[in-house]
Amino acid sequence: DTAVSQTPKYLVTQMGNDKSIKCEQNLGHDTMYWYKQDSKKFLKIMFSYNNKELIINETVPNRFSPKSPDKAHLNLHINSLELGDSAVYFCASSPGQKSYGYTFGSGTRLTVV
Amino acid sequence: AQSVTQLGSHVSVSEGALVLLRCNYSSSVPPYLFWYVQYPNQGLQLLLKYTTGATLVKGINGFEAEFKKSETSFHLTKPSAHMSDAAEYFCAVSASGGYQKVTFGIGTKLQVIP
Repeated sequence: DTAVSQTPKYLVTQMGNDKSIKCEQNLGHDTMYWYKQDSKKFLKIMFSYNNKELIINETVPNRFSPKSPDKAHLNLHINSLELGDSAVYFCASSPGQKSYGYTFGSGTRLTVV
Repeated sequence: AQSVTQLGSHVSVSEGALVLLRCNYSSSVPPYLFWYVQYPNQGLQLLLKYTTGATLVKGINGFEAEFKKSETSFHLTKPSAHMSDAAEYFCAVSASGGYQKVTFGIGTKLQVIP
């Protein structure tokens, strides 16, 4: 049973489209995250939610909007996709205290053409 | 603010040789330190972590790391490399206390030569 699951695994779309990535965790964790990994493997945090409340919001374009309907789910919606949005997006979760470390999903590879 | 520097984006070792992946951190408060491993087309997996207490921490797959405050380092080692260790390794740091973000290094790709 996958602990942190993301869908879809691959997403190819045209510039200007709107797309969503879903994330679900069955670990009972309180905190969830979205990270972006670029082509050079650099990982950058985008958002973090704790019990459905936004606690970290990095400098990310307004086109990116996270939504957490409950503490087990964190979705990422992207409007007006651009070529530069092509990357691997990782969802992660933690019990709420970051000293435990994160559990990552397997990633969503987004390609904008 | 915290930051992490991983020395060497690529490291090659022979199978059976010592693995040493270097990580230096910067933090204005006591840090939490982590090493993650990423296999191709997979998410990151926690290898080990340092929060408080013993400075030598042991992780999965025979890896260990030592927190050296005086050197601001948290290098990852394994006595004998195995072919299955070939992967990307990420060092990460966060500040202790509160909801503070974890900052990752740029990663070190480990190649194991048979």
